[in-house]
Amino acid sequence: EIVLTQSPGTLSLSPGERATLSCRASQSVSSSYLAWYQQKPGQAPRLLIYGASSRATGIPDRFSGSGSGTDFTLTISRLEPEDFAVYYCQQYGSSPPDTFGQGTKLEIK
Amino acid sequence: QVQLVQSGAEVKKPGASVKVSCKASGYTFTSYGISWVRQAPGQGLEWMGWISAYNGNTNYAQKLQGRVTMTTDTSTSTAYMELRSLRSDDTAVYYCARDKGPKDYWGQGTLVTVSS
Repeated sequence: EIVLTQSPGTLSLSPGERATLSCRASQSVSSSYLAWYQQKPGQAPRLLIYGASSRATGIPDRFSGSGSGTDFTLTISRLEPEDFAVYYCQQYGSSPPDTFGQGTKLEIK
Repeated sequence: QVQLVQSGAEVKKPGASVKVSCKASGYTFTSYGISWVRQAPGQGLEWMGWISAYNGNTNYAQKLQGRVTMTTDTSTSTAYMELRSLRSDDTAVYYCARDKGPKDYWGQGTLVTVSS
């Protein structure tokens, strides 16, 4: 089973700043089958990025994903007030199980 | 538009079973799988398993093997997740999600509370 470790656990930033979230895998994620989700309190997760770098439908271009192998990054170029939430990475490679990282909480400084 | 609508909240006693439904609309049900993901209070996301709506093939998380069963009814475009021998640590919000690798549409979640 691939273990995903996200860092930092909590990130405190101000609106307008740039956010960089990290996701490291215990072994290589095949074909960059890595996704990022945003979750706000009381809501279901929302798909942001799939295939490590492709934005899902309707996701603003301030969200971008990068990386391959074992190291992946989600970048939010200029934080908007609605971006403060918890972010999860997930690998969905060729073999189950799918696994999620433990999450990074992005909070307002 | 794609929608996944789940059944309502449940309260169960330890040892009981729960069956959560997830009714899909707005797409061809048999063209995608359905994954089930749960989230204990204040905790992260846990993948429980996947079912193909095309042929009913399943993959379950190892820790739930023997206690979970996922099924689909293609006539009503509905997926089901049954969890048996409930324990207090099964208390969580349970989500279904359309699965094409990434989970692009999610249900609203079903709170299952296990308490004596």
